[in-house]
Amino acid sequence: NAGVTQTPKFRVLKTGQSMTLLCAQDMNHEYMYWYRQDPGMGLRLIHYSVGEGTTAKGEVPDGYNVSRLKKQNFLLGLESAAPSQTSVYFCASSYRQGNTGELFFGEGSRLTVL
Amino acid sequence: KNQVEQSPQSLIILEGKNCTLQCNYTVSPFSNLRWYKQDTGRGPVSLTIMTFSENTKSNGRYTATLDADTKQSSLHITASQLSDSASYICVVSEASSSASKIIFGSGTRLSIRP
Repeated sequence: NAGVTQTPKFRVLKTGQSMTLLCAQDMNHEYMYWYRQDPGMGLRLIHYSVGEGTTAKGEVPDGYNVSRLKKQNFLLGLESAAPSQTSVYFCASSYRQGNTGELFFGEGSRLTVL
Repeated sequence: KNQVEQSPQSLIILEGKNCTLQCNYTVSPFSNLRWYKQDTGRGPVSLTIMTFSENTKSNGRYTATLDADTKQSSLHITASQLSDSASYICVVSEASSSASKIIFGSGTRLSIRP
């Protein structure tokens, strides 16, 4: 079982460049999430989706955009990368609403913005 | 503000020894509390879930406790093994219709030495 797959795993960007992180899940989950993890801090929710074609803002959405065109995919975009976006990004999915269902995480994508 | 505080931040113990990790939270209204294990370079994986009515739950050598009155939880690891070296994250969910009401602690980094 692949579970939740994130690509790419590593990326280095220059300030102002754009990029897209792809998350794919094969568990037929309705809910998908993008988190960022920074040293000494808990995971923080960037954006989430409660189903195909829906997206919603989380705790730290500024500077990011997302799309959920297909149920199995959730894309996170950075239009103009900034050094403050250097972080490890995790995608997660859940069968039920996140605050009741178990979150299944991908392996993470480490992004460095110079 | 809903918060989840974990202690200690880091812990080093010898293989075979026991240890206990602590989690205090101020999340209200409370839905459930999960402990996740995050190996270095990997995504978090759920170990246990505790609901309001549960005091203790075991998963192999891991035993989680919950005191909903004092808003405290602990994760006890028995007879530690080298593979237990990881970060352990306490995650508390708020009872809400929103999928975003999940608060992550910053984790305890556990190192098991041979």
